[in-house]
Amino acid sequence: EAGVTQFPSHSVIEKGQTVTLRCDPISGHDNLYWYRRVMGKEIKFLLHFVKESKQDESGMPNNRFLAERTGGTYSTLKVQPAELEDSGVYFCASSQALSKNIQYFGAGTRLSVL
Amino acid sequence: AQSVSQHNHHVILSEAASLELGCNYSYGGTVNLFWYVQYPGQHLQLLLKYFSGDPLVKGIKGFEAEFIKSKFSFNLRKPSVQWSDTAEYFCAVNANTGGFKTIFGAGTRLFVKA
Repeated sequence: EAGVTQFPSHSVIEKGQTVTLRCDPISGHDNLYWYRRVMGKEIKFLLHFVKESKQDESGMPNNRFLAERTGGTYSTLKVQPAELEDSGVYFCASSQALSKNIQYFGAGTRLSVL
Repeated sequence: AQSVSQHNHHVILSEAASLELGCNYSYGGTVNLFWYVQYPGQHLQLLLKYFSGDPLVKGIKGFEAEFIKSKFSFNLRKPSVQWSDTAEYFCAVNANTGGFKTIFGAGTRLFVKA
């Protein structure tokens, strides 16, 4: 069974540019989460999809971040325009059930904004 | 606010030494508790989990953790570490009252000297 896959693994962009990160969850997992780890800090929740609906987006830093999950399958996280403080590792996770919620993580996308 | 505190940011041990990584959480409700591990260059992987029942849980690679509800703690232990245990370890919590978004500790980097 394929795990959670994220693309790209690494992205280097200049301040002001746009970047789109993609996450493919484990097939059949309705729950999809985005997290971010800024260097030296803890992994922080960004948002949670249940199928195509945003269940909780309380962790999204500001309106430069837009997450979508059309059709309830893969998800994208777009940063537009990117700022220096957006640099970090963006993790995606998916889970099948909400109760006893075991989240399986992707390898992450390392975003460097110069 | 919900939070997870890991006591040590960096730990250096020699092979065969015993390991205990401290984790305390701040959460009022019924929680699910996890330890994740990230080996160099690899995904976050689930090491072990606690949902209910026996507070002493065993995970992969000889790790175990004990949930002490009165202390809001979930410490990770291993009697004898190996060089291959060198990794970063994350304590994490989620709960239905939080929509199952996972709250992570800051991580503990373990380096095991051969």
